[in-house]
Amino acid sequence: DQQVKQNSPSLSVQEGRISILNCDYTNSMFDYFLWYKKYPAEGPTFLISISSIKDKNEDGRFTVFLNKSAKHLSLHIVPSQPGDSAVYFCAASATGANSKLTFGKGITLSVRP
Amino acid sequence: GAGVSQTPSNKVTEKGKYVELRCDPISGHTALYWYRQSLGQGPEFLIYFQGTGAADDSGLPNDRFFAVRPEGSVSTLKIQRTERGDSAVYLCASSLFAGSSTDTQYFGPGTRLTVL
Repeated sequence: DQQVKQNSPSLSVQEGRISILNCDYTNSMFDYFLWYKKYPAEGPTFLISISSIKDKNEDGRFTVFLNKSAKHLSLHIVPSQPGDSAVYFCAASATGANSKLTFGKGITLSVRP
Repeated sequence: GAGVSQTPSNKVTEKGKYVELRCDPISGHTALYWYRQSLGQGPEFLIYFQGTGAADDSGLPNDRFFAVRPEGSVSTLKIQRTERGDSAVYLCASSLFAGSSTDTQYFGPGTRLTVL
């Protein structure tokens, strides 16, 4: 039973355009959401996070949007760069759950020069 | 500063053998997590330490898996009687504050375990 779902396994975009990566969750207890980026043979690297009390968080080229009623979040990368090519994981945690993260399966983003 | 380190980076073993995987967290981080990532999946939670004690081991798949953190820093994940299904990348993460859902977890590069 996947509590965090990333339904699109891959995404390809042109350099300079916007990348939109989607994530859905089913557990209403989740109140903190994170995006991690992973290159081959490396561990996941923290990218950006959002608390359930917000609906948007922005950090440079990266913006995360949270729609609690739809249990949906998205990561926007603009402008996309070839170095953004990686696997992106959406993760969630719940207060009182010892901060353990529940991850989606990941989306492979390819940014074409 | 140094990040989370894990050794070995790769481990190949035979079915039925015992293995130990080591994690060195970021200095000063009190919380330590182990996750397992199978092919085509996201990381799955195994166990969480707050200091020296295992605060949550609900993700350990069975009693062949055990982890320790005797001095509140380095942790070792131990797998007895390995099975082919144990093959995966084992990831360790640490965070500064224990027990807060808004802690950021920083991951190591992982140990790729292959059971033949």
